[in-house]
Amino acid sequence: GQQVMQIPQYQHVQEGEDFTTYCNSSTTLSNIQWYKQRPGGHPVFLIQLVKSGEVKKQKRLTFQFGEAKKNSSLHITATQTTDVGTYFCAGLPGAGSYQLTFGKGTKLSVIP
Amino acid sequence: EAQVTQNPRYLITVTGKKLTVTCSQNMNHEYMSWYRQDPGLGLRQIYYSMNVEVTDKGDVPEGYKVSRKEKRNFPLILESPSPNQTSLYFCASSPYWGLQGGEQYFGPGTRLTVT
Repeated sequence: GQQVMQIPQYQHVQEGEDFTTYCNSSTTLSNIQWYKQRPGGHPVFLIQLVKSGEVKKQKRLTFQFGEAKKNSSLHITATQTTDVGTYFCAGLPGAGSYQLTFGKGTKLSVIP
Repeated sequence: EAQVTQNPRYLITVTGKKLTVTCSQNMNHEYMSWYRQDPGLGLRQIYYSMNVEVTDKGDVPEGYKVSRKEKRNFPLILESPSPNQTSLYFCASSPYWGLQGGEQYFGPGTRLTVT
């Protein structure tokens, strides 16, 4: 079945440093979504990417979808303590499948 | 307020005692889904439903049942719970589905412990 690998599993950064998490799928995706889960909370939708090579920005967050639609990345510029949490990617395959597969997440810690 | 609600939020039960976790959304969403979250394993989809009376298995359906008799409700049933079903469970809904996907709204979670 489809697998979505996400790295790194953990990342500790000093406040103000940049952070990137990467997602790779074993199959071509129709779209990829990104979620953030704060400690003790539930996942919250951040963004969805659909087009090959798509790049979207939300303030300090930049999301990319690879040309082959098999990989994606989330980059945070100048991290803040409010960025703490676990970031998940979730891939939806094409060909009529509606099964969303999540990566295992990257847990971000920000040292003030 | 638009939301997904789950009940109960916390549950401790014993092996073999049937239980139901309810999920309800007030956004008229077509797509609903159940996930379990375990340390180091991330979120894994149990079952999903694309509309009333339409359900399908996710990655880890064994030991679970679901039903979608009404658009707003999507209960998760554990007929004979076992300790390996101890986990944090999330229900989610989305306004639409298909190849273009859709933003998922998650409930607050249900922490289940089976002894």
